[in-house]
Amino acid sequence: GAVVSQHPSWVICKSGTSVKIECRSLDFQATTMFWYRQFPKQSLMLMATSNEGSKATYEQGVEKDKFLINHASLTLSTLTVTSAHPEDSSFYICSARTVSHGYTFGSGTRLTVV
Amino acid sequence: EDQVTQSPEALRLQEGESSSLNCSYTVSGLRGLFWYRQDPGKGPEFLFTLYSAGEEKEKERLKATLTKKESFLHITAPKPEDSATYLCAVQPREGYALNFGKGTSLLVTP
Repeated sequence: GAVVSQHPSWVICKSGTSVKIECRSLDFQATTMFWYRQFPKQSLMLMATSNEGSKATYEQGVEKDKFLINHASLTLSTLTVTSAHPEDSSFYICSARTVSHGYTFGSGTRLTVV
Repeated sequence: EDQVTQSPEALRLQEGESSSLNCSYTVSGLRGLFWYRQDPGKGPEFLFTLYSAGEEKEKERLKATLTKKESFLHITAPKPEDSATYLCAVQPREGYALNFGKGTSLLVTP
């Protein structure tokens, strides 16, 4: 089946620094990748949709200059949280959609900003 | 605006005690309703997709049903390993992004 590998699984960073999260589709090509954020006991909230080779589409209220998304290849999408602050601490999850396998989710990244 | 509401927020069952989780939705043209299981600190794990009212799908102790307004996830004779958060999501007519509910946290005790 389709597998999306997400790294790192957890990261702790200092306030003001940047963190990059990677999602790789291991055995398929992901033309579209979705990035979600999940706070404790809350729903997955869509942050942005990225399409290979084009600019990401951000949801209302999500700062595109803070959450940089790059989808330069059909197997790799990255989310960089720039100048992270404690309020950015959350669980970040990527998801790829294919016609044959539907939606496949990464295992998530727990970001803690101290 | 599309909305997905899950109830109850939390559910505690004894092992073997069957129950149902509810997912009510309002969406501009449903293309698919999805059920996922999420364990703590993990990404969602796919369970079912339902496309039209009246459709039902089963997998082991789980059965998902769909009407025009809601979906149920029935759990028959649950076991402790069924403890997890169950998420419902809809795919509206426009776009491909899923819209998630807050989930139901299920705890099954021995």
